[in-house]
Amino acid sequence: EAEVAQSPRYKITEKSQAVAFWCDPISGHATLYWYRQILGQGPELLVQFQDESVVDDSQLPKDRFSAERLKGVDSTLKIQPAELGDSAMYLCASSRTGYNSPLHFGNGTRLTVT
Amino acid sequence: DQQVKQNSPSLSVQEGRISILNCDYTNSMFDYFLWYKKYPAEGPTFLISISSIKDKNEDGRFTVFLNKSAKHLSLHIVPSQPGDSAVYFCAASALGDDKIIFGKGTRLHILP
Repeated sequence: EAEVAQSPRYKITEKSQAVAFWCDPISGHATLYWYRQILGQGPELLVQFQDESVVDDSQLPKDRFSAERLKGVDSTLKIQPAELGDSAMYLCASSRTGYNSPLHFGNGTRLTVT
Repeated sequence: DQQVKQNSPSLSVQEGRISILNCDYTNSMFDYFLWYKKYPAEGPTFLISISSIKDKNEDGRFTVFLNKSAKHLSLHIVPSQPGDSAVYFCAASALGDDKIIFGKGTRLHILP
């Protein structure tokens, strides 16, 4: 079964450093999502892409976070500079176009900022 | 403001018995509901969904019930198995919107 690929699985960085996460969605899935999950909470949407276009980035802290999906396939999420409060699991998900399509998640990147 | 609420952080159930996980929502525009299961160090996995035109959907040991008037849904697992021990997230989306909102999750422990 096709999977959403994410790397790295774990990342430790010092505050004020830059960090980047990569996601490759399931082939044919036009919609891509980045979620952040803090321990004990549910996943919270950061940004949603439809092909290469941003559909929703209302919850993305744009002063330090950026996301791109240049060719409408894989995607990168960047944080610069990282802050202690950014420590969390960053999850990428993809789905077919159209609502009522379940999200398929990758295994995430666990970020620890020291 | 939490639009999807899972008020029980954890639940313990004896193996072989029924597990019932509950979820409440506040947004009356939600019309599609999903349950995800998450093991440690893995991403959430889609389990089962239900549209607001139905009040029940069943898939093997898993059944989701929707009570629209009460804005409440529940996931029933019968019989519960050790591999069901995980965190379960309730999620919802609104008509015409493919953004999915998640609850905080309920950790289910299946006791031997």
